[in-house]
Amino acid sequence: QIILKESGPTLVKPTQTLTLTCTFSGFSLSTSELGVGWIRQPPGKALEWLAVIYWDDDKRYSPSLKSRVTITKDTSRNQVVLTMTNVDPVDTATYYCARRRAVVGRYFDHWGQGILVTVSS
Amino acid sequence: QSALTQPASVSGSPGQSITISCTGTNSDIGGYNYVSWYQQHPGEAPKLMIYEVTSRPSGVPDRFSGSKSGNTASLIISGLQAEDEADYYCSSFRSSSPHIAFGGGTKLTVL
Repeated sequence: QIILKESGPTLVKPTQTLTLTCTFSGFSLSTSELGVGWIRQPPGKALEWLAVIYWDDDKRYSPSLKSRVTITKDTSRNQVVLTMTNVDPVDTATYYCARRRAVVGRYFDHWGQGILVTVSS
Repeated sequence: QSALTQPASVSGSPGQSITISCTGTNSDIGGYNYVSWYQQHPGEAPKLMIYEVTSRPSGVPDRFSGSKSGNTASLIISGLQAEDEADYYCSSFRSSSPHIAFGGGTKLTVL
């Protein structure tokens, strides 16, 4: 059974750094052709892809957030961490992590439940 | 503004068929068979419904199907049921940045 779960602060202040952790089970990020990505969704709005990291440590970022976002993995702990600097109220959103099929198919096949992060002073 | 263009809303009556379009470019939908579709009910996480344009994951009803022509992909839902009422998002791999694109989402209303 594949499970992903997001954790982190639900309230952060503007200009602070947001750190979110995706803890997963049922697969390993040392398995070729797998990755884990982060996608966010502001209230009432569409999905927005943020970043993805693959089994070989290849990392890709959305160009609109590339200067503020970093993605890393800890394969031994089955975790992927997203760091976003200098947050703003417009970063208020539900943040999802999801498993990515990397080479064949290229899709997100399993998603976490999401975590609502509010940016407010 | 999303990289992929979807209609904001579609509607249909129970039992009918509907189609949701997703338009991109030669760099994404037109260039690769890596289109996927996700269903999202209010307050829930997205769920994969279609991948590689036409493939269905295990457990997804065969009422859901996908197709592609040129730079436009489509999600077809036949035999509409009340439980199909949800938001639907398309996504595609892109050869140029951004690496992964989502559509703006389509709200399906079952009348």
